[in-house]
Amino acid sequence: GAVVSQHPSRVICKSGTSVKIECRSLDFQATTMFWYRQFPKKSLMLMATSNEGSKATYEQGVEKDKFLINHASLTLSTLTVTSAHPEDSSFYICSARRVESEQYFGPGTRLTVT
Amino acid sequence: GQNIDQPTEMTATEGAIVQINCTYQTSGFNGLFWYQQHAGEAPTFLSYNVLDGLEEKGRFSSFLSRSKGYSYLLLKELQMKDSASYLCAVMDSNYQLIWGAGTKLIIKP
Repeated sequence: GAVVSQHPSRVICKSGTSVKIECRSLDFQATTMFWYRQFPKKSLMLMATSNEGSKATYEQGVEKDKFLINHASLTLSTLTVTSAHPEDSSFYICSARRVESEQYFGPGTRLTVT
Repeated sequence: GQNIDQPTEMTATEGAIVQINCTYQTSGFNGLFWYQQHAGEAPTFLSYNVLDGLEEKGRFSSFLSRSKGYSYLLLKELQMKDSASYLCAVMDSNYQLIWGAGTKLIIKP
């Protein structure tokens, strides 16, 4: 089956530093990857849609200069949280789309900013 | 290994009731989520169960049995708009989400 991995699974960083989260599709090529943020017991909030080789499309209210997304290849997208603050602490989940009707989710990355 | 099993596809009739099952084997358990996802849209949170029993929320109910590693989502009075994929996800002991592949629910008039 299709597998999506994320690294790291958990990260703690100090306020003001930057953190990079990787999302990889392990056994398929994903032309499109999505980045979500999950709030406790709530829906996933779509942050941005990332297409390989082009700039990411950010949802309204998401700061593109703060959440840098790079979709470098058909199997890798990265999300960098720049100048992190405690309010950025959250669970970040990526997903990869293989074909129009198939979207596979990663296990998530728990970010804690102290 | 860790895995979540749910049926790939189900078909039901408008106005009827459907139960979508989810069985899981994970290293630890910190809750089970059900999400609804319409094609091309982000998943929408439906329910969160961490204790055994039935949680009812309008037309949707979710049940959990931790000893059996089993949950189901029950949809009553089905409407055409309920046609979607339903995702079961378990949060393991490391607070990682293990996702099922989703159940595509087709509602027929």
